[in-house]
Amino acid sequence: NAGVTQTPKFRILKIGQSMTLQCTQDMNHNYMYWYRQDPGMGLKLIYYSVGAGITDKGEVPNGYNVSRSTTEDFPLRLELAAPSQTSVYFCASSYSEYEKLFFGSGTQLSVL
Amino acid sequence: RKEVEQDPGPFNVPEGATVAFNCTYSNSASQSFFWYRQDCRKEPKLLMSVYSSGNEDGRFTAQLNRASQYISLLIRDSKLSDSATYLCVVNRRANNNDMRFGAGTRLTVKP
Repeated sequence: NAGVTQTPKFRILKIGQSMTLQCTQDMNHNYMYWYRQDPGMGLKLIYYSVGAGITDKGEVPNGYNVSRSTTEDFPLRLELAAPSQTSVYFCASSYSEYEKLFFGSGTQLSVL
Repeated sequence: RKEVEQDPGPFNVPEGATVAFNCTYSNSASQSFFWYRQDCRKEPKLLMSVYSSGNEDGRFTAQLNRASQYISLLIRDSKLSDSATYLCVVNRRANNNDMRFGAGTRLTVKP
C-alpha cells in the first residue's frame, strides 16, 4: 500500500500564480484533510472532506479551494498565491471520523 | 493565547533518561486527546491516544487531567530513535474535523 501520496514535494511560486497540490490515497478512506504547518505553529486544518462530492471549510480556508470527485483524490487549489501561503502542506486521510490520521509526506511551498 | 500549548524545548537528554512533556489546552469541552510524533521534515504519525484513565504503551505513558486541562507524555529509558518532535493534539469534537495541534516539543536523545 502506498498510503497517502502527495505531489509535488517542493514548489516555488511567484506572487499571483496558481497551482494545485495533489493528494491521493489507496486505503479507501472516506475522510480526507488538508493541513498547513508553519514554523513554531501547530498544524491548522484548511479543508476536509467526508466523502466524494462533500467538502467543508476548516480553520484557515481563505485563499484555497478543494474538490473531491473520487474517494481517492483530494486536490488543493491555490489561486493568486501570496507570501502568507508559504508553508508545509500535509494531506491526511482516515477510515472514519474517529480513527487516526494517516499523513502524506508533505509539500514544501514557497511563494516569493 | 494558543488553544493547545506545549513547551517547545528542545529537551536534550542522555540515552536511558526519563523525560516528561506537558501540554495544556484551553477548551474545557475537548473530547479526545492524542500524541503524534514528527521526525525532522517528515509527516506526523500517531504515537498514542490518551485515555481518561491513563494508558501505557511500552516505554510511553500518557496521562490526562481534565480538571486542570493538561495531558502529559512520559518516555522511560530514552533511545536515540526517540529523537523527534512530539505534537499534542486535542479534538474539540468527537470527530476529526476540529482537531487542534500544539506546535510540538522537540526531543534530542544523545549517546
